[in-house]
Amino acid sequence: GENVEQHPSTLSVQEGDSAVIKCTYSDSASNYFPWYKQELGKGPQLIIDIRSNVGEKKDQRIAVTLNKTAKHFSLHITETQPEDSAVYFCAASDNQGGKLIFGQGTELSVKP
Amino acid sequence: EAGVAQSPRYKIIEKRQSVAFWCNPISGHATLYWYQQILGQGPKLLIQFQNNGVVDDSQLPKDRFSAERLKGVDSTLKIQPAKLEDSAVYLCASSSYPSGTAGEQYFGPGTRLTVT
Repeated sequence: GENVEQHPSTLSVQEGDSAVIKCTYSDSASNYFPWYKQELGKGPQLIIDIRSNVGEKKDQRIAVTLNKTAKHFSLHITETQPEDSAVYFCAASDNQGGKLIFGQGTELSVKP
Repeated sequence: EAGVAQSPRYKIIEKRQSVAFWCNPISGHATLYWYQQILGQGPKLLIQFQNNGVVDDSQLPKDRFSAERLKGVDSTLKIQPAKLEDSAVYLCASSSYPSGTAGEQYFGPGTRLTVT
C-alpha cells in the first residue's frame, strides 16, 4: 500500500523567511496530493492541493510542486508570519478509494 | 457553508468502558471518513462510507470498534470495550467526491479521547 514520508519533523524560521517541507510517496498510482495545516486543538485544514497532471500550483504565499518521476512533492511558504506556526501534513490519495495516507507531520515555528 | 460537526469535543473514560462519537458532515457530501490521530502522528483511516454503505473498513479493529451511517448523513463511531491505546483524537471528514475519485476532504474539529 501507499506510504508517505515527510521531512523535516520540526522547522524553525524567522518571520519573513521561506519554509519548505518535503514529502515522498511510494505508490505511482497516487494522483492527488493535499496539504493540511493543523493548529492546536483543531482539525486539519486544507490549505492547498495538487493533482498529478500539474507540476506546480500557487495560492498567494503558498505553493506546491510535484515531481511524479521522483515521487516527490513539496510545500513552499514565502514571507512567513507568526500565524503560519502550526503542524503541517502532506497526504497522498489514489482513485481506488479516495482515502488519504498522511505523512508524519512537520511542526513549523515562525519566530517574530 | 457550515463545516463538519463533531461531538463531544472531549471524553475521558476508564479502560473497558464504552464510548460513542457523533459526526454531521457538510450538507450534500456523500462520502464520510473516520480517522484516528494518535498524538504526534498523522491521521489514519478507520472507515469510509459512501452514503450509508461501507467502502473501506480494512483498518477498523472490528472486535471493539463499530460505525454506522444509517440514513447516509450523520455517522456514529463506537468503541466497546476501550483500551489504553485507543487514546487519540477521532476525526471525521467529508467529501463531495464519490468513492473511487480522490478529492478535497474537509475535517471536523475532532473528539479527543483519553482512556485511563
